[in-house]
Amino acid sequence: GENVEQHPSTLSVQEGDSAVIKCTYSDSASNYFPWYKQELGKGPQLIIDIRSNVGEKKDQRIAVTLNKTAKHFSLHITETQPEDSAVYFCAASTTGANNLFFGTGTRLTVIP
Amino acid sequence: DSGVTQTPKHLITATGQRVTLRCSPRSGDLSVYWYQQSLDQGLQFLIQYYNGEERAKGNILERFSAQQFPDLHSELNLSSLELGDSALYFCASSLGWGRNHEQYFGPGTRLTVT
Repeated sequence: GENVEQHPSTLSVQEGDSAVIKCTYSDSASNYFPWYKQELGKGPQLIIDIRSNVGEKKDQRIAVTLNKTAKHFSLHITETQPEDSAVYFCAASTTGANNLFFGTGTRLTVIP
Repeated sequence: DSGVTQTPKHLITATGQRVTLRCSPRSGDLSVYWYQQSLDQGLQFLIQYYNGEERAKGNILERFSAQQFPDLHSELNLSSLELGDSALYFCASSLGWGRNHEQYFGPGTRLTVT
């Protein structure tokens, strides 16, 4: 089955700096890559996703890039704010299977 | 708020017991997924239903079962509970099946087995 690896496990940045979280996947059939933000005591919240026919996608301060050849994708958060502090999960899935395979999470701390 | 609801929020029970977790998907969504989140295993897919039918199975134990009812709500039944079943259980829903539709997660049920 699919194996998703995520790095780093923890990340601390100063407010206003950028944060980058990287994931790799093993199954070349994977074609959908969402990112979730999980705050304490809450369920994962979908913040952005990318499909395999696209190399990059942006939504305000967040962007995701995908390199299908290398089987890796990354989340970029610019101008970080304290409210960006949370655990971020990457995931991968294939058409037909739909179920998500998650990375192990990155705890992001934005220092005011 | 994702629109997915889960009850109860917290559940404390003893080993050997049986519990039922309930999920109502977002309005219009036909697929429901169950995931388990634990410290040692992370977020793991358990099972998926689409319009009342089971569509995919992940790392779901034989002691666990689920179903989706005609009104599209779903229940996850956990029996012969063990200490290791203590975890957060999330339900997610999506529009359909067969294509990669966005999945929206509920707030979860925290199960503690003592």
